[in-house]
Amino acid sequence: QLQMQESGPGLVKPSETLSLTCTVSGGSISSSNYYWGWIRQPPGKGLEWIGSRSYSGSTYYNPSLKSRVTISVDTSKNQFSLKLTSVTAADTAVYYCARHTVTAMIPDYWGQGTLVTVSS
Amino acid sequence: SYKLTQPPSVSVSPGQTASFSCSGDKLGDKYASWFQQKPGQSPVLVIYQDNKRPSGIPERFSGSNSGNTATLTISGTQAMDEADYYCQAWDSITVVFGGGTKLTVL
Repeated sequence: QLQMQESGPGLVKPSETLSLTCTVSGGSISSSNYYWGWIRQPPGKGLEWIGSRSYSGSTYYNPSLKSRVTISVDTSKNQFSLKLTSVTAADTAVYYCARHTVTAMIPDYWGQGTLVTVSS
Repeated sequence: SYKLTQPPSVSVSPGQTASFSCSGDKLGDKYASWFQQKPGQSPVLVIYQDNKRPSGIPERFSGSNSGNTATLTISGTQAMDEADYYCQAWDSITVVFGGGTKLTVL
């Protein structure tokens, strides 16, 4: 059974960089059938897709965040990571890591989510 | 950018049929998926590729997609189905979610 677990700081200061890691167990991140990505949800609001990356390096990013986002994959650790630069209070959200199918980029498995608050 | 529109709320009585709409330009030409999210929990995929159910999802959940509208239907709605429901599509560049519909089971 695939399991995904987010980790990283729960508090980030404005203008700094938000960094999160997702550890995948029960499956290989090197599979050619999937992309690995991030989705966020501000408190009380809807879902916003951030981006996804395949193990081979193909990436897709939300155009509204593209200039600030980097998703990387570490196959040796079966992990992938998110970096979001120059954060503001508007970036406060629960961040989910999720496996995406190659067909139609469907987020079929999700981590439990981690709340990141941007505040000084 | 591509946009998906959902009504904010739907209410049904237990045992009745709940229907959720999701509209987007030529949505029928794309695959639509649906997610259920209960308070404090991660979203769960309940329908993918318009009308397929993942393993473990009850048969009372079904989906369709044609023209500009995708529809999620819950037949024989139960109290445990009370949740937020989000539609999702891929426009070959980005993953797009609808704003979500809150299901209240009266």
